[in-house]
Amino acid sequence: EAQVTQNPRYLITVTGKKLTVTCSQNMNHEYMSWYRQDPGLGLRQIYYSMNVEVTDKGDVPEGYKVSRKEKRNFPLILESPSPNQTSLYFCASSLSWSANSPLHFGNGTRLTVT
Amino acid sequence: GESVGLHLPTLSVQEGDNSIINCAYSNSASDYFIWYKQESGKGPQFIIDIRSNMDKRQGQRVTVLLNKTVKHLSLQIAATQPGDSAVYFCAENSNTGNQFYFGTGTSLTVIP
Repeated sequence: EAQVTQNPRYLITVTGKKLTVTCSQNMNHEYMSWYRQDPGLGLRQIYYSMNVEVTDKGDVPEGYKVSRKEKRNFPLILESPSPNQTSLYFCASSLSWSANSPLHFGNGTRLTVT
Repeated sequence: GESVGLHLPTLSVQEGDNSIINCAYSNSASDYFIWYKQESGKGPQFIIDIRSNMDKRQGQRVTVLLNKTVKHLSLQIAATQPGDSAVYFCAENSNTGNQFYFGTGTSLTVIP
């Protein structure tokens, strides 16, 4: 089944403890992206990747890192999480940016930082 | 920056009626638009898309209308069912940018 898989689904952590949220897609998509979703603010882009080894900042990149060593994986790293990073996170992928193809989303990771 | 907004935050309809959800966008260079459905506890799910060279596109029970003159997008759901209850939001991008911009969503409630 074609899908975007995020892990974990739920995560509770403490301020300053490094964490990684994994994202994997099995559709051979070039474009991948991370979003956070907060009430009243909608989906805001954190980082995106047009292809392997190419990553760029989105609208809210502060406090986050990403890597794209392989086409299928796009992990989101929080080196030193803070309470304002408590949010619902979504990974998404699409065939390619130039193809005007829709984003396919994972089921989300709900992160709580205390 | 770009803004993508929705006219109403909530919408309630009777089962069997048609639903219309609206979206306004501000970037005149936007050329690709998508409607997503998000159910509680799930990620956004693709419903239908439309490119700027079209003004209407139909799917199964859904129709998207694009009015580029007033930068307005709408999603029509025919014969709304309880399973249609969800948050719906639009997204747009342009070839001059590298990201999608999303509206904040309209919560649709279908009354049995």
